[in-house]
Amino acid sequence: EAQVTQNPRYLITVTGKKLTVTCSQNMNHEYMSWYRQDPGLGLRQIYYSMNVEVTDKGDVPEGYKVSRKEKRNFPLILESPSPNQTSLYFCASSLRRAQLYSPLHFGNGTRLTVT
Amino acid sequence: KQEVTQIPAALSVPEGENLVLNCSFTDSAIYNLQWFRQDPGKGLTSLLLIQSSQREQTSGRLNASLDKSSGRSTLYIAASQPGDSATYLCAPLQTGGFKTIFGAGTRLFVKA
Repeated sequence: EAQVTQNPRYLITVTGKKLTVTCSQNMNHEYMSWYRQDPGLGLRQIYYSMNVEVTDKGDVPEGYKVSRKEKRNFPLILESPSPNQTSLYFCASSLRRAQLYSPLHFGNGTRLTVT
Repeated sequence: KQEVTQIPAALSVPEGENLVLNCSFTDSAIYNLQWFRQDPGKGLTSLLLIQSSQREQTSGRLNASLDKSSGRSTLYIAASQPGDSATYLCAPLQTGGFKTIFGAGTRLFVKA
């Protein structure tokens, strides 16, 4: 089944403890992206990647890192989480051919709480 | 900077009604525009994608239109059902920066 898989689904951690949220897609998509969703602020892009080893900042990249060493994986790293990073996180991917993009496929989300 | 506005913010209708959700965006330099559905606490499900060169896309009871030059898209839902209750988001993909910018969504409640 074609899907984007995020893990974990729920995570509670403490301030400053490094964590990684994994994202994997099995559709051979070039484009991958991370978003956070907060009440009243909607979905905001954190980082995106056009292909392996190509990443760029979205609108709210502060406090996050990403890497794209393989096409299928795009982990989100919080080196020193803070309470303002408590949010619902989504990973998404799409196929890219020239200037045409297939629909964005989303994972089921990771609900992160930082205390 | 791209700004996406969705009107109305919330909508409650009786079952069977046809309804229109509106989306406007300020920057017409887009590759495509996508409509999503999100159920509470869940991920986003893609409903329809319209490429910038297209005017319309249809899937079942859903029809989405795009007027890129005027910065508008509409999602038409025919014969609404209680199962259509969800939040609907529109999201244009910008050519500059390859960013997908999301509207705040329209929360739809269809009463049985």
